[in-house]
Amino acid sequence: SQQGEEDPQALSIQEGENATMNCSYKTSINNLQWYRQNSGRGLVHLILIRSNEREKHSGRLRVTLDTSKKSSSLLITASRAADTASYFCATVPISSGSARQLTFGSGTQLTVLP
Amino acid sequence: NAGVMQNPRHLVRRRGQEARLRCSPMKGHSHVYWYRQLPEEGLKFMVYLQKENIIDESGMPKERFSAEFPKEGPSILRIQQVVRGDSAAYFCASSRTTGSQETQYFGPGTRLLVL
Repeated sequence: SQQGEEDPQALSIQEGENATMNCSYKTSINNLQWYRQNSGRGLVHLILIRSNEREKHSGRLRVTLDTSKKSSSLLITASRAADTASYFCATVPISSGSARQLTFGSGTQLTVLP
Repeated sequence: NAGVMQNPRHLVRRRGQEARLRCSPMKGHSHVYWYRQLPEEGLKFMVYLQKENIIDESGMPKERFSAEFPKEGPSILRIQQVVRGDSAAYFCASSRTTGSQETQYFGPGTRLLVL
């Protein structure tokens, strides 16, 4: 199964509402990152949270990390139609050594309705 | 500073043909990663390269797939004798170092369609 699993798989909200997405993973990690992917496009890096951090903010984004539960959440406040995209969490397992390859979940499809 | 560049953006091949996907990392980046994304799925790691070296190819199929990152020029992902199951989006990412907190920057991807 996936190292990272996002929940829910799909989320539909009204513009102005907050959107919360969750990610669970299985192994010990160096860090956890969130990416956004618009339909048919590449990935855009949103935020990185280190394993020794519990919360991080960037603009309208708030990320939490609970290493004891092996889970993270991404909160987008005051959502906009332009936030409509797929959101992926990605982890760098400690066991990856020097390779640092990212392990992605299957994503949450967020739709923000105007 | 241009981002990661990939070409072509779209590639159509018939079964049995070869596909060559190119990736130019960001300026100053010497670490390249290739990922594959099937429809409705997340990205799966394929291979990690530094200049002239394959560091980790644990995610790459043993047959028909190869990758290189020469001293000069872009990184190339080569798929020989393509089959329909190779249809996917292939993304390249680059990073400046491999520090544990280093961000990988992704290109726009190449969408391969095998007829």
